[in-house]
Amino acid sequence: EDQVTQSPEALRLQEGESSSLNCSYTVSGLRGLFWYRQDPGKGPEFLFTLYSAGEEKEKERLKATLTKKESFLHITAPKPEDSATYLCAVLMDSNYQLIWGAGTKLIIKP
Amino acid sequence: DTAVSQTPKYLVTQMGNDKSIKCEQNLGHDTMYWYKQDSKKFLKIMFSYNNKELIINETVPNRFSPKSPDKAHLNLHINSLELGDSAVYFCASSRIGSNSPLHFGNGTRLTVT
Repeated sequence: EDQVTQSPEALRLQEGESSSLNCSYTVSGLRGLFWYRQDPGKGPEFLFTLYSAGEEKEKERLKATLTKKESFLHITAPKPEDSATYLCAVLMDSNYQLIWGAGTKLIIKP
Repeated sequence: DTAVSQTPKYLVTQMGNDKSIKCEQNLGHDTMYWYKQDSKKFLKIMFSYNNKELIINETVPNRFSPKSPDKAHLNLHINSLELGDSAVYFCASSRIGSNSPLHFGNGTRLTVT
């Protein structure tokens, strides 16, 4: 069964404490992997698209990487404003369907 | 502001009623979507629509119907509301092409009592 799993469900960090969020996927073929950020009461906001294993994208304190089985969202020296739920979604090659993970809720304490 | 906007933000109604949620995008996108986000935060596609094709997720009850008066609008009409319809509904849009990222509205929280 095609599936996207994100871990951990929630992550609490101190300001400045770097860490990584995981998005693992089991799909028949990957066309692309997307990362989004969702703030409470808002819709998801696009961050990155990754297309092939070994690819990396960066934006401010965030860096997304991709392997054949998973993607990581690395956050370096996070600030309280980075607190949000981070969602990943996989675009399947076979039917162009987008499968979403349940997200990781990230809380950065000052 | 260029954006996807949907109204209302909150909708509380009783079982059996019919309601609509409106969505508009001024991004010039070709494709619009409706998603449902349940209490566990999973986003599930309900419909995708461009000016040529409506794709329906087969698991969506036929009480739900999208209506598009023009390329910039995709409204969601729900008949005979049930308790299980309570969720947050998101409208989104994208340029044509499956690799294009989605731009989401801020959601409509539907509560059926």
